[in-house]
Amino acid sequence: AQTVTQSQPEMSVQEAETVTLSCTYDTSENNYYLFWYKQPPSRQMILVIRQEAYKQQNATENRFSVNFQKAAKSFSLKISDSQLGDTAMYFCAFTRGNTPLVFGKGTRLSVIA
Amino acid sequence: DADVTQTPRNRITKTGKRIMLECSQTKGHDRMYWYRQDPGLGLRLIYYSFDVKDINKGEISDGYSVSRQAQAKFSLSLESAIPNQTALYFCATSSGKRTLEQYFGPGTRLTVT
Repeated sequence: AQTVTQSQPEMSVQEAETVTLSCTYDTSENNYYLFWYKQPPSRQMILVIRQEAYKQQNATENRFSVNFQKAAKSFSLKISDSQLGDTAMYFCAFTRGNTPLVFGKGTRLSVIA
Repeated sequence: DADVTQTPRNRITKTGKRIMLECSQTKGHDRMYWYRQDPGLGLRLIYYSFDVKDINKGEISDGYSVSRQAQAKFSLSLESAIPNQTALYFCATSSGKRTLEQYFGPGTRLTVT
């Protein structure tokens, strides 16, 4: 079974600084998909970024980018120029494509003014 | 209007009561999911359905049942609620096609006393 591990339960960052959230996963599959979701205090789950395993190029969405290391089974999220609105729980998730998402336990990020 | 809706948004019930959580979507997606979120445990899959005639158990299905009444509707029932079912419950949908990400409803906060 696939597993997703987020080793940092909590992190904090100063406003305007950069922070990296870690995620590792375990799978024997070659083709799969990875996601980062954000859950602000409103509790809504919001998709931040996605990565297809067959793509070597790291995905980027504005201030959010990933470092996808397929051989190491690592999928970290970098948030640049952190803003107070980035304060949230962040979840890493995995799917083979024909299966539901498997989520990590989350990292609580606090952005400090 | 929201693409994925859940009712009720908050519910307090007593031990032993039967309760139903409802989910509706206007995204036209085939796949629907129910997750449970507990602090420190992330999101765990309860049940999922890839089409109207398909129902599958997830990681933590004991004590729960589901009904897929139509492509757009997927209900979760707690036959006899117990206090450790107190949690935040999310419904999600996905298209099963190219991008595969899941879209979440706003969540239902359930408290069993």
